[in-house]
Amino acid sequence: GDSVTQMEGPVTLSEEAFLTINCTYTATGYPSLFWYVQYPGEGLQLLLKATKADDKGSNKGFEATYRKETTSFHLEKGSVQVSDSAVYFCALSDQDTGNQFYFGTGTSLTVIP
Amino acid sequence: KAGVTQTPRYLIKTRGQQVTLSCSPISGHRSVSWYQQTPGQGLQFLFEYFSETQRNKGNFPGRFSGRQFSNSRSEMNVSTLELGDSALYLCASSFRQTTDTQYFGPGTRLTVL
Repeated sequence: GDSVTQMEGPVTLSEEAFLTINCTYTATGYPSLFWYVQYPGEGLQLLLKATKADDKGSNKGFEATYRKETTSFHLEKGSVQVSDSAVYFCALSDQDTGNQFYFGTGTSLTVIP
Repeated sequence: KAGVTQTPRYLIKTRGQQVTLSCSPISGHRSVSWYQQTPGQGLQFLFEYFSETQRNKGNFPGRFSGRQFSNSRSEMNVSTLELGDSALYLCASSFRQTTDTQYFGPGTRLTVL
């Protein structure tokens, strides 16, 4: 069945460091891929998405490229800020399963000044 | 525009009871999805409703059910509560389908004693 695997946390970085959070997926069809973020005390919100292979999603300095050959959708940011501290969730939605959503377990990021 | 609202925010029930949770989507959104979030299992898809019809269902027992009304508001019911049902239940609305941007509510924290 479909699934999403993302790197274990927690991750602690210094301000202005480079961020990578790995995400790989398994899907029967051609899924759409998402990164959702949950800031402390707030609800989940969409960070970025990509709907087909080689698409790059980007928002707020974060980027992720849909790599079909490696079934990956790694999240990157060149220079993190304290305000990026949050939990990040990778997710997929597969038309072959009626667009059912599958989330990864989440990766907690803490950025220290 | 008002966000997704969920009521109640907190609930305490005992084993064997039943519970109903409510979700009001963003105005104009017709798709409502429900998720269960627990520390052990993460975010798991329960079901999705569109135009008063269940369009998709996750892998949960029949004790979990839902419905959607003509104004797109949705309710989720859990019967014969078990200790393992303790979780944060999240509702998300989107314009037409889950691959559109989903907007999440703050959740209902259910504790089963």
